[in-house]
Amino acid sequence: LAKTTQPISMDSYEGQEVNITCSHNNIATNDYITWYQQFPSQGPRFIIQGYKTKVTNEVASLFIPADRKSSTLSLPRVSLSDTAVYYCLVGLPSGGSYIPTFGRGTSLIVHP
Amino acid sequence: GAVVSQHPSRVICKSGTSVKIECRSLDFQATTMFWYRQFPKQSLMLMATSNEGSKATYEQGVEKDKFLINHASLTLSTLTVTSAHPEDSSFYICSPKGGGTEAFFGQGTRLTVV
Repeated sequence: LAKTTQPISMDSYEGQEVNITCSHNNIATNDYITWYQQFPSQGPRFIIQGYKTKVTNEVASLFIPADRKSSTLSLPRVSLSDTAVYYCLVGLPSGGSYIPTFGRGTSLIVHP
Repeated sequence: GAVVSQHPSRVICKSGTSVKIECRSLDFQATTMFWYRQFPKQSLMLMATSNEGSKATYEQGVEKDKFLINHASLTLSTLTVTSAHPEDSSFYICSPKGGGTEAFFGQGTRLTVV
């Protein structure tokens, strides 16, 4: 099971771009990288998922280098409502033995 | 994304009583259900994994007789906290597994034992 390492916390200001990097040195060939957002007293919410290179959706971008040993979640122009904990998970969700395993996550605080 | 309904969202119970938490997958069949517990300012910790129609597998340190899991159908799983005590107060989250490329999570249940 690939272990993930993220910064414990980050601070930013409204309107700035925020990049959160996750290290996953022992990622397996078939593993995907998935990022979740969690607000207090809510379940995790899917943000974005990728396998390699770059993925972009309406809320974020995910950059994955060629060696796939890390990934960076990019949140463009954050707002106060982006204050949350962000988790990166590594694995093959469709695999029979997959268990969503959470690391410590990154607590992002967006200031006015 | 898929819809997961977890109920209740919050519950307060007296010490010694039991509480049942329901988790439903509304638009897909969940062959496997994961149950997590999350203490304040901590990450989600896996408590148990259940497969439809069979007994749950509990993580080390989780008492199977205290946390009863029933996964009788492909769309419903329940977690019952029996004889709850204040130390069981936590945030409980379910995650039904549907076989796709994305994991889905319930809204969570805030349990407070007084």
